[in-house]
Amino acid sequence: DIQMTQSPSTLSASVGDRVTITCRASQSISSWLAWYQQKSGKAPKLLIYKASNLESGVPSRFSGSGSGTEFTLTISSLQPDDFATYYCQQYSSYFRTFGQGTTVDIK
Amino acid sequence: QVQLVESGGGVVQPGRSLRLSCAASGFTFSSYAMHWVRQAPGKGLEWVAFMSYDGDKKYYAVSVKGRLTISRDNSKNTLYLQMNSLRTEDTAVYYCARERIVGATVDCWGQGTLVTVSS
Repeated sequence: DIQMTQSPSTLSASVGDRVTITCRASQSISSWLAWYQQKSGKAPKLLIYKASNLESGVPSRFSGSGSGTEFTLTISSLQPDDFATYYCQQYSSYFRTFGQGTTVDIK
Repeated sequence: QVQLVESGGGVVQPGRSLRLSCAASGFTFSSYAMHWVRQAPGKGLEWVAFMSYDGDKKYYAVSVKGRLTISRDNSKNTLYLQMNSLRTEDTAVYYCARERIVGATVDCWGQGTLVTVSS
């Protein structure tokens, strides 16, 4: 299986900060990567697909980049609604795998 | 609008069985591949199983292979997860999720149903 490693596991930030989360794949997945946001007790929400494509309705402060084995999710100016846990997921293989998650909390 | 509604969760003893259902509406269910994903309490997301739109392809995580079975009834717009020989480590919220036809991104999720395996 393809292993996905996210860093950091937890990130403390303030409103207005620029935030970057990294996701590394154990082998090349081309651009077959999605990013999800999950708030406590809720289902995940798709933010970015195919590494850098913004899902409809998602604020433009979210962006994704990368290909191959290294990917980033960037929030350009953190807003109060953005405090949540973020997951990357590869879909290069039918055996989908998620990163372990990055929790963004208030500094 | 697109809606996925899971049901069938509950408390079950180790070794017993349970069947989860996921009722789909607001889209042509028979055209979409589907997944089950679970989340143990306080833990991250774990992909569980995949089924193609026509039921022809099925794939499972190693941790559940041979015990959990994904199926679908396109005439009823419903996805299922038959869970046998349950273990305490299967305790989780189980989500069904839709995969886009083009691009294979999982784009819509249900609200989840909690399965607790405990004696």
